Amino acid sequence: GAGVSQSPSNKVTEKGKDVELRCDPISGHTALYWYRQSLGQGLEFLIYFQGNSAPDKSGLPSDRFSAERTGGSVSTLTIQRTQQEDSAVYLCASRGGAQETQYFGPGTRLLVL
Amino acid sequence: AQKITQTQPGMFVQEKEAVTLDCTYDTSDPSYGLFWYKQPSSGEMIFLIYQGSYDQQNATEGRYSLNFQKARKSANLVISASQLGDSAMYFCAMRPITSYGKLTFGQGTILTVHP
Repeated sequence: GAGVSQSPSNKVTEKGKDVELRCDPISGHTALYWYRQSLGQGLEFLIYFQGNSAPDKSGLPSDRFSAERTGGSVSTLTIQRTQQEDSAVYLCASRGGAQETQYFGPGTRLLVL
Repeated sequence: AQKITQTQPGMFVQEKEAVTLDCTYDTSDPSYGLFWYKQPSSGEMIFLIYQGSYDQQNATEGRYSLNFQKARKSANLVISASQLGDSAMYFCAMRPITSYGKLTFGQGTILTVHP
């Protein structure tokens, strides 16, 4: 079956512009996560959606970052007024299976000039 | 709070040999799950293997096995019969069993397999 998909795969933007990153989870997975990976670093948690519950936003680095999940499926991560330090790979994961494993998408590589 | 430590920034192995990637962890949760992921140069995170803290036996998945030593809080990944395609970044991660929140990741180990 289809895995987690993300779009765009690459995004180059100018400082100060807004960007939207999209994630399509695995069908049937009710939980969805966003992480950020800076160059050569581990993954940093951003936000977590579980069903209809209020999302866990504890990892969002500033109020310029927001995310929504419509209809319990597709999620959009929005970064407003982008800064150069926002340059990173943004990874989305959905959770399922017997071990409640998180399965990741291919990521969106964001470069802020 | 949870913490994962991977002390090997880089490892080298000869093709067809076995290699062990180290992972130690710290947590106050009584039950937890440990995961290993592979990240090739393409960037996608690929799930490899899972170990529950309550599991009596070490997990195995094909050429991957997890050497779980609970008392030492270590969860090392063993790759047998290394292949050139195993060259990648490897991440150890954990989360509490009782909640399905975020994974906490280590800094990763870059594995290079030589022919």
